[in-house]
Amino acid sequence: QKEVEQDPGPLSVPEGAIVSLNCTYSNSAFQYFMWYRQYSRKGPELLMYTYSSGNKEDGRFTAQVDKSSKYISLFIRDSQPSDSATYLCAMSALSGGSNYKLTFGKGTLLTVNP
Amino acid sequence: DTEVTQTPKHLVMGMTNKKSLKCEQHMGHRAMYWYKQKAKKPPELMFVYSYEKLSINESVPSRFSPECPNSSLLNLHLHALQPEDSALYLCASSQASRDRTLQKQFFGPGTRLTVL
Repeated sequence: QKEVEQDPGPLSVPEGAIVSLNCTYSNSAFQYFMWYRQYSRKGPELLMYTYSSGNKEDGRFTAQVDKSSKYISLFIRDSQPSDSATYLCAMSALSGGSNYKLTFGKGTLLTVNP
Repeated sequence: DTEVTQTPKHLVMGMTNKKSLKCEQHMGHRAMYWYKQKAKKPPELMFVYSYEKLSINESVPSRFSPECPNSSLLNLHLHALQPEDSALYLCASSQASRDRTLQKQFFGPGTRLTVL
């Protein structure tokens, strides 16, 4: 079993739809949870960052973490064509004493159609 | 400012060439990272520097040689690469701290490397 599982999609939705992206994980040592957005041929852009169970909202984006179920989600409200990108979940755990290593999901390719 | 810059944007090199990738950040971050990303795959960690010292090497072949000359700069020296090393090379930085509010990693735009 991989440490982080993410459905690679692709996911195609109409403009204005609510998008739900999910990841599950198996490593209880993961402490911090992130969502990155990556446009084609660009570097990942940090969208959301959280370290506790519950919801965190930022504009149209809501990140949800359920540590008891080892499950994280990203919701995008009122999706726009400009949201079309690959969304990567990432989780970090302490490694080698004092460094935190990120473990990424495979990424979900999202297309929002006008 | 959460910007990490990388040069060059694109690089084409032969298998006998020596080249270097450069990364710079001015956020005061003391942890810097190199990742390799193949098409349609997530980034894979290569190296981590913490306070200018190499702290993690993910068993990367010696044809990749990292260097951290100061707290703002990170280099990746390339020599005798293989065509399968063609990928997007990403640099990232973060605070080097156990404070849980400071574990965000910020990525640069990457260098797209093609090895002929």
